[in-house]
Amino acid sequence: GESVGLHLPTLSVQEGDNSIINCAYSNSASDYFIWYKQESGKGPQFIIDIRSNMDKRQGQRVTVLLNKTVKHLSLQIAATQPGDSAVYFCAETPSYTDKLIFGTGTRLQVFP
Amino acid sequence: KAGVTQTPRYLIKTRGQQVTLSCSPISGHRSVSWYQQTPGQGLQFLFEYFSETQRNKGNFPGRFSGRQFSNSRSEMNVSTLELGDSALYLCASSLQGDPDTQYFGPGTRLTVL
Repeated sequence: GESVGLHLPTLSVQEGDNSIINCAYSNSASDYFIWYKQESGKGPQFIIDIRSNMDKRQGQRVTVLLNKTVKHLSLQIAATQPGDSAVYFCAETPSYTDKLIFGTGTRLQVFP
Repeated sequence: KAGVTQTPRYLIKTRGQQVTLSCSPISGHRSVSWYQQTPGQGLQFLFEYFSETQRNKGNFPGRFSGRQFSNSRSEMNVSTLELGDSALYLCASSLQGDPDTQYFGPGTRLTVL
């Protein structure tokens, strides 16, 4: 069935380092992708999105890269901070729906 | 602008009972989607409502239903609760959908005993 998966379930980084979270998606019809951050006890929080007509998009300290050829999405966090510790989900939306298909999530742990 | 609100935040029910969860979207948002989050299955799409009509549906049994009111507020209902229905139920709203950035509420934690 449709699925969006992540390669690494847990990523540990030192404060100040850059973090890269990867995601593979399976639906070629997806044209909208979003990264969410979820802290314990809270709902997912929007981080950044990208549409399929783009390869890269930058936000504040975050960059999303989209490689449609290999159906790969990544989230780069610059100068990772303790407040970045959370579970990160990628999600895709097929072009014909508003339904979000979520990946399994990656836990990011930031050490001082 | 207030975010997505969900009530109640926590709920404990027993098997066989039914439950109704409520979601108030961000003001001006017309699309409301519901998701179930469990440790084993992750985040799974339940259904999406737009202008009081169900526009998309996930792969859940008929015990899961929902509706949307004219003010875009939405409710979801689960009948004949099973232990496996214990989960965090998340509501997300967006302006128009199709597709659009979805903003999530804090969720309702449902425990079925």
